[in-house]
Amino acid sequence: QVQLQESGPGLVKSSETLSLTCTVSGGSISSYYWSWIRQPPGKGLEWIGYIYYSGSTDYNPSLKSRATISVDTSKNQFSLKLSSVTAADTAVYYCARVGWTNKYYFDYWGQGNLVTVSS
Amino acid sequence: DIQMTQSPSSLSASVGDRVTITCRASQSISTYLNWYQQKAGKAPKLLIYAASSLQSGVPSRFSGSGSGTDFTLTISSLQPEDFATYYCQQSYSTPWTFGQGTKVEI
Repeated sequence: QVQLQESGPGLVKSSETLSLTCTVSGGSISSYYWSWIRQPPGKGLEWIGYIYYSGSTDYNPSLKSRATISVDTSKNQFSLKLSSVTAADTAVYYCARVGWTNKYYFDYWGQGNLVTVSS
Repeated sequence: DIQMTQSPSSLSASVGDRVTITCRASQSISTYLNWYQQKAGKAPKLLIYAASSLQSGVPSRFSGSGSGTDFTLTISSLQPEDFATYYCQQSYSTPWTFGQGTKVEI
């Protein structure tokens, strides 16, 4: 059974960089796409971006190039960096596996990591 | 970006009721449509992928239908554990986008 676990600071100062890591267990990070998704308190879900195990990426343009996703296959981990954060970036951040059966979907999720941006 | 609009935003139902949630895309997305269930304080859980395929382990009372721009999630007989928020999501083109959610309450 594939499991994902987010880790990283729960508090980040405004204008600084948010950094989170997702550790994948119970399966290899290879041959899949991996995503970050966030959810502001009381609001809906926003896709941040994905990375393929080989390193290719795609991002949501709404983040205006502030997001960077990287992968470390030797550690079975992938990471998110979000620069120049503001209070609007306060959210629960989820990592997820992108499953594929002719079409893409998020089939495994981490439990979420609440990140609060403080001034 | 493809906009996903769910209706209703919330609904009240009783155990045993048949519940239908609708999701509309701002352009045709074929069957690139997924449904998730989220309970309070938990991560979303995949229910339906590719519009009508039931994810392994999900009870058969959940079903999905539709193609193009209009999609439906149906719960045939609502159970106590089904009270949650439901989201649709398109994977036709990036940025992948979600509907705003439908909260199913008692």
